[in-house]
Amino acid sequence: KAGVTQTPRYLIKTRGQQVTLSCSPISGHRSVSWYQQTPGQGLQFLFEYFSETQRNKGNFPGRFSGRQFSNSRSEMNVSTLELGDSALYLCASSFLGNTEAFFGQGTRLTVV
Amino acid sequence: DAKTTQPNSMESNEEEPVHLPCNHSTISGTDYIHWYRQLPSQGPEYVIHGLTSNVNNRMASLAIAEDRKSSTLILHRATLRDAAVYYCILRDVGRGSTLGRLYFGRGTQLTVWP
Repeated sequence: KAGVTQTPRYLIKTRGQQVTLSCSPISGHRSVSWYQQTPGQGLQFLFEYFSETQRNKGNFPGRFSGRQFSNSRSEMNVSTLELGDSALYLCASSFLGNTEAFFGQGTRLTVV
Repeated sequence: DAKTTQPNSMESNEEEPVHLPCNHSTISGTDYIHWYRQLPSQGPEYVIHGLTSNVNNRMASLAIAEDRKSSTLILHRATLRDAAVYYCILRDVGRGSTLGRLYFGRGTQLTVWP
């Protein structure tokens, strides 16, 4: 069974640009969650999607958005990038959202 | 969500057992105890979870105190590959606000010496 796949693995963007990250969950999993990890703040929850609907949202500005497609694949978008958005972005999938979660390797975003 | 408290760091020698403690004195009756770990340069990895009884799987054992206010993750024989940050997390799976959401604290950095 294939694991959670995140693309791209690494990204370098300039301040003010926007970026889209992709996550393919484990087959059959309908819940996809996104997290931001930084050395200072640790792992912080961004949002969760289930059956194409956002069910939960963390405390991040509106520049961070996401969506989920009918095949459960998910994308997150960050607009008007700031230097502080440099982080490892992790995606996790689970069957219903209340069972064990399986994480991808993450996308390392660097904003310069 | 109820808070957990873990030591910042622990050390062990290879092939010795490791007991990673977690305190959760405000745990509610519907909170499950989950453990995840994060190896360097990787995403977190599910380890084990339980509610009241002790649990075993191929990776580890979870010992839960009778009053559920603390738990211990047990690695029976540490290997160098077990060096990671270990997170103890409470999940109230009955609450909609926690669906798809894990609250990670700072965890315990485990160092394994050869």
